[in-house]
Amino acid sequence: GAVVSQHPSWVICKSGTSVKIECRSLDFQATTMFWYRQFPKQSLMLMATSNEGSKATYEQGVEKDKFLINHASLTLSTLTVTSAHPEDSSFYICSATKTGQPRTDTQYFGPGTRLTVL
Amino acid sequence: GESVGLHLPTLSVQEGDNSIINCAYSNSASDYFIWYKQESGKGPQFIIDIRSNMDKRQGQRVTVLLNKTVKHLSLQIAATQPGDSAVYFCAERSGGSYIPTFGRGTSLIVHP
Repeated sequence: GAVVSQHPSWVICKSGTSVKIECRSLDFQATTMFWYRQFPKQSLMLMATSNEGSKATYEQGVEKDKFLINHASLTLSTLTVTSAHPEDSSFYICSATKTGQPRTDTQYFGPGTRLTVL
Repeated sequence: GESVGLHLPTLSVQEGDNSIINCAYSNSASDYFIWYKQESGKGPQFIIDIRSNMDKRQGQRVTVLLNKTVKHLSLQIAATQPGDSAVYFCAERSGGSYIPTFGRGTSLIVHP
């Protein structure tokens, strides 16, 4: 199998606080992980590509200082939403590809984290 | 490319019917296509994929058809069941990138 987990599954926070979301590959190593954001009734939008041991690559329009990504090990990537505001409320989904597999390999998605900022 | 919309197209079918979900893509260089199923409050789940050197691929109860001439992709679900109710996304990738671009999505509602 190729299981990706996320923690927490949902979080409610006050405006101005920071929230950390974890993405773990449970039964495989993932050199590369991806973070997506999904607003209600919309498609997934790629935010950034996270590479183990190096800086993340952010998509155009995504503020790297607001969405901090750390990929410290081959099984864990974290997304920290800093100084969260209500407009950051969304469904955040991570995905991972297996280390050693060709770059054309499929991505395995996590179950998502629902963030609500009050 | 990415599509953003306020409303998802919806397909309503009766249990047991066959469902056809369509997707148009714009990048002529796309050479790999994937269908995902996303249930409410969950992450996308891989259903089936197809490479551009094929025009049809079958899985269990699902078939994907690819028409490169008109840049059109479809997902056919046979004998649709209530558990098939979800949002279905097509995604495309070109050889130079391993990151898929997601389409708009279609909401499939299966009535018992």
